Amino acid sequence: NAGVMQNPRHLVRRRGQEARLRCSPMKGHSHVYWYRQLPEEGLKFMVYLQKENIIDESGMPKERFSAEFPKEGPSILRIQQVVRGDSAAYFCASSTLAVNEQFFGPGTRLTVL
Amino acid sequence: AQSVTQPDIHITVSEGASLELRCNYSYGATPYLFWYVQSPGQGLQLLLKYFSGDTLVQGIKGFEAEFKRSQSSFNLRKPSVHWSDAAEYFCAVGPTDSWGKLQFGAGTQVVVTP
Repeated sequence: NAGVMQNPRHLVRRRGQEARLRCSPMKGHSHVYWYRQLPEEGLKFMVYLQKENIIDESGMPKERFSAEFPKEGPSILRIQQVVRGDSAAYFCASSTLAVNEQFFGPGTRLTVL
Repeated sequence: AQSVTQPDIHITVSEGASLELRCNYSYGATPYLFWYVQSPGQGLQLLLKYFSGDTLVQGIKGFEAEFKRSQSSFNLRKPSVHWSDAAEYFCAVGPTDSWGKLQFGAGTQVVVTP
């Protein structure tokens, strides 16, 4: 049973470009969460999604950031017009319907030049 | 306001010595409690969790944690550390009445010396 998969593992973008981060949850998991880890800090919640629905986006910046979890395919975290402050590790986690035990992917490390 | 506090940013311990990492939380009710470990450049691995029942929880890699409701604490312990335990450790809390976000502490960096 494969774990949570994220790609790419490393992503380099120049200021003003778009970044797309992908997350495939564990098999049988229908809840996806995105977290951001800035250097020297803990993880901060960004958004919680179920298939085709955003349940909680209280941690998402109001502009430039969006997330989706379509009926088919991976969850996507999209950052438009990236700035240097977006440089961070972005982690995806997934869980089942039964209990809120979240399993984390390896993360995508975004570097904005 | 909800919060998770890991008072120790950095701990150095000798190989073979015992380790205790502190975690205190402030939450509306008893939450679900978790400890995760993160090795450099890696994702998070779940060490153990507390949902209910026995307040002493056993995890992987020889770790255990004790939930103390009166102190709002969930400290992680290991009797004898190995060099491979050098990593960053995060305490996290989550809601029990619904699915949702985990709130993480700032982490404790553990260095193991020979």
